Amino acid sequence: NAGVTQTPKFQVLKTGQSMTLQCAQDMNHEYMSWYRQDPGMGLRLIHYSVGAGITDQGEVPNGYNVSRSTTEDFPLRLLSAAPSQTSVYFCASQRTPYSNQPQHFGDGTRLSIL
Amino acid sequence: AQSVTQLDSQVPVFEEAPVELRCNYSSSVSVYLFWYVQYPNQGLQLLLKYLSGSTLVKGINGFEAEFNKSQTSFHLRKPSVHISDTAEYFCAVSLNDYKLSFGAGTTVTVRA
Repeated sequence: NAGVTQTPKFQVLKTGQSMTLQCAQDMNHEYMSWYRQDPGMGLRLIHYSVGAGITDQGEVPNGYNVSRSTTEDFPLRLLSAAPSQTSVYFCASQRTPYSNQPQHFGDGTRLSIL
Repeated sequence: AQSVTQLDSQVPVFEEAPVELRCNYSSSVSVYLFWYVQYPNQGLQLLLKYLSGSTLVKGINGFEAEFNKSQTSFHLRKPSVHISDTAEYFCAVSLNDYKLSFGAGTTVTVRA
C-alpha cells in the first residue's frame, strides 16, 4: 500500500518562482490537508478539503492555493515563492472528515526559497 | 479555539529508562486527543488516541497515555525506552470541526 505520496521530496526555488507540490493518496479518503512544519511551531494547517470539489482555508493560507478535482489528488501551489515559505510541507489524509479519525501523513517535501 | 502546550521541547533519556512527555490543552468543550511520532526524515505516525471511555490509552511500541480532564492533560509515557525511540513526538487536539491543532513537539534523544 502506497498510502500518502508526496513529490518532490526536496526542492530549491528562487524568490518569486511558482511551483506545485503534489500529494496523492490511494486509500479513497475523503479528507485531505496540507501542513507546514517549522522549528518550535509544530504543524500548522494551510488548507484542507473534505471531498472532491471542496476546499477551505486553514490557519496559514496566505501565499498558497489548492484544488481537489479528484478524491486521490490534492496539490498545493505556491503562487510567488518567498523566503518565509521555506519549510517542510506535509500532506495528510483521513478516511472521513470526523474528529475521531487519525490522519495518515506523507513523508514531506523539504522546500527552500532563496 | 483550542491550544496545545507541550511542556518540554527536549528530553534526553538513557536507554531502558522510563520517559514521560507532558501535554496540556486548553478547551472548554470535549476534545479528541492524539499523540504522533515523527522519525527523522519521515512523516508523522499515529502512536495512540483518546476518544472516550477509559482514561488510560495504550498505543504502539509500548507507549501509553493518560487523559486527565480536570487537569486538561494527556501525558505520554513509556516504562523503558530503546534507542529506536529517538524521534520527535507531537501532541494534537481535535474538536468537532475535524481540524487538528498540534503542539510544538518534544524531541526525545535516547542514549546508550
